[in-house]
Amino acid sequence: EAGVAQSPRYKIIEKRQSVAFWCNPISGHATLYWYQQILGQGPKLLIQFQNNGVVDDSQLPKDRFSAERLKGVDSTLKIQPAKLEDSAVYLCASSPGEGQPQHFGDGTRLSIL
Amino acid sequence: GDSVTQMEGPVTLSEEAFLTINCTYTATGYPSLFWYVQYPGEGLQLLLKATKADDKGSNKGFEATYRKETTSFHLEKGSVQVSDSAVYFCALSDPYDYKLSFGAGTTVTVRA
Repeated sequence: EAGVAQSPRYKIIEKRQSVAFWCNPISGHATLYWYQQILGQGPKLLIQFQNNGVVDDSQLPKDRFSAERLKGVDSTLKIQPAKLEDSAVYLCASSPGEGQPQHFGDGTRLSIL
Repeated sequence: GDSVTQMEGPVTLSEEAFLTINCTYTATGYPSLFWYVQYPGEGLQLLLKATKADDKGSNKGFEATYRKETTSFHLEKGSVQVSDSAVYFCALSDPYDYKLSFGAGTTVTVRA
């Protein structure tokens, strides 16, 4: 089966600019996650979707981050405006449902200058 | 809240050496426990898991046993290869909301 697809793989922007990441989960997976992985740390959950509804966005900095999952399939994560501390790898994961093993994409590495 | 503490790296080994990465956790209830591996430039891959006390997860020569009495899930491999060079993450899944909590990761480098 095809894995979780993410794009772009790399992105370099200046602070205060905006950026968007895209994720296509494994077909049929109802649950989709966005994680932030800062260098030297484990992934931290930003937001979880169940189909096209938000289950948990308690760790999402809502003043600058936003995410959507229209039609319950693909998802986009946006940062506007970016700060230096947003430099990280942004990982998307999907699973058939809550409590099921999560499958991760290769991530988008974001560098803020 | 839930948390995972794993051995700090980096760890450098020679081929065929024995590898142990320590992992302990704090959680309410009985979480499921996981080891994920991240190869350079790639996302995380599930390496093995255990869902209840005394379960042993195993895969690709790696093993870890869910020890409830010591709240530990140490990863071991008897003879490592260069291809095992990666970052290893210990994680737990909360039994109530299934959220994954990760340790900080341990970088392992195996030299020929």
